[in-house]
Amino acid sequence: DQQVKQNSPSLSVQEGRISILNCDYTNSMFDYFLWYKKYPAEGPTFLISISSIKDKNEDGRFTVFLNKSAKHLSLHIVPSQPGDSAVYFCAASALGGGNKLTFGTGTQLKVEL
Amino acid sequence: ETGVTQTPRHLVMGMTNKKSLKCEQHLGHNAMYWYKQSAKKPLELMFVYSLEERVENNSVPSRFSPECPNSSHLFLHLHTLQPEDSALYLCASSRAYDKANYGYTFGSGTRLTVV
Repeated sequence: DQQVKQNSPSLSVQEGRISILNCDYTNSMFDYFLWYKKYPAEGPTFLISISSIKDKNEDGRFTVFLNKSAKHLSLHIVPSQPGDSAVYFCAASALGGGNKLTFGTGTQLKVEL
Repeated sequence: ETGVTQTPRHLVMGMTNKKSLKCEQHLGHNAMYWYKQSAKKPLELMFVYSLEERVENNSVPSRFSPECPNSSHLFLHLHTLQPEDSALYLCASSRAYDKANYGYTFGSGTRLTVV
């Protein structure tokens, strides 16, 4: 049973527009959420995170929104740039569960010129 | 060298071979992880070491055997693997394991093909 779901395997956006990547989770014990970005032939790199006590966290062009009642989070990238083309993974960890991350399957973002 | 380094980057092995994957970190982190990424599946946690002690073993078959000789090095010993074990094996480290808000630093992974 997949506890973290990214239902869109791919997303294509024009340069300069907003990219919105979505993630849903089922485990109500999850209290910390992260987004990772992965380029081909490289390991995932940390992008942004959010604690369950917040509903928004912003870092430059990247903003993560958390809707606890819907068990949904989203990553907004604005404006999107060609260098943002990568696979984006949503991950979550549970209170009292140690630093053990559960990942989604990823969304391939393509930013077109 | 900083970060997390994994070797080899690519490995092709027969089902009767024995090989080892190596991971090294120079970040001063106390926790290290092995994850497996198969096609169209989420990253699956295999093993966690905290302060050189194994704290998680996620029902991984015994043909995968981890070793953590010190806080900077992590190995994954492989023997009698199956073709379905072909995947990207990612090593990661974090500052500690006891708190859930320490992000991971990942290596670039070893692409394993079992023939």
